[in-house]
Amino acid sequence: DTGVSQDPRHKITKRGQNVTFRCDPISEHNRLYWYRQTLGQGPEFLTYFQNEAQLEKSRLLSDRFSAERPKGSFSTLEIQRTEQGDSAMYLCASSQTGGDGKNIQYFGAGTRLSVL
Amino acid sequence: KQEVTQIPAALSVPEGENLVLNCSFTDSAIYNLQWFRQDPGKGLTSLLLIQSSQREQTSGRLNASLDKSSGRSTLYIAASQPGDSATYLCSEAAGNKLTFGGGTRVLVKP
Repeated sequence: DTGVSQDPRHKITKRGQNVTFRCDPISEHNRLYWYRQTLGQGPEFLTYFQNEAQLEKSRLLSDRFSAERPKGSFSTLEIQRTEQGDSAMYLCASSQTGGDGKNIQYFGAGTRLSVL
Repeated sequence: KQEVTQIPAALSVPEGENLVLNCSFTDSAIYNLQWFRQDPGKGLTSLLLIQSSQREQTSGRLNASLDKSSGRSTLYIAASQPGDSATYLCSEAAGNKLTFGGGTRVLVKP
């Protein structure tokens, strides 16, 4: 088990372009989360999936953002018509709901997006 | 809306000194509280998770306490080492998502 994997690690794009990030969760984890972290701040929740169902979305997730998790495995986060304010670290986490009720989230290394 | 606050935002100590990191939260109905470590430009590493029914958790030199009535958690790191230099984040789970504080950036000077 290699942990949560995110690709790419860094992305530089020009304003107005579309970008897509990928997250591969820990195998057998049924929950997958996306967070955004700007410099000097803690991560902020964007959305989460249980299996293939997207169960919650933050108000931070504008209509330019879309996330999918086909077949309940990997997930993609797409940002359309990027703006400079989208520059941030995008973090993915996964967890397995279990009888102990802990629901520990394990994070990937993140994708750093820079919009020029 | 849950709010999580970490004070101070930055802390510098000499090697060997004990570290005390504070976290306060507004939602007393938390499900659990989790402490993370983040190295520059990297993702988050989970350190300790305290469930709402627990008062503390320990792992090696780390000890985290939880006081729901006062809305506070404290992370203690004994005998700090330069390798402990990082940003420490606390988060509360009141539902399916984590709400994070802004973090405390720690520098342990050799």
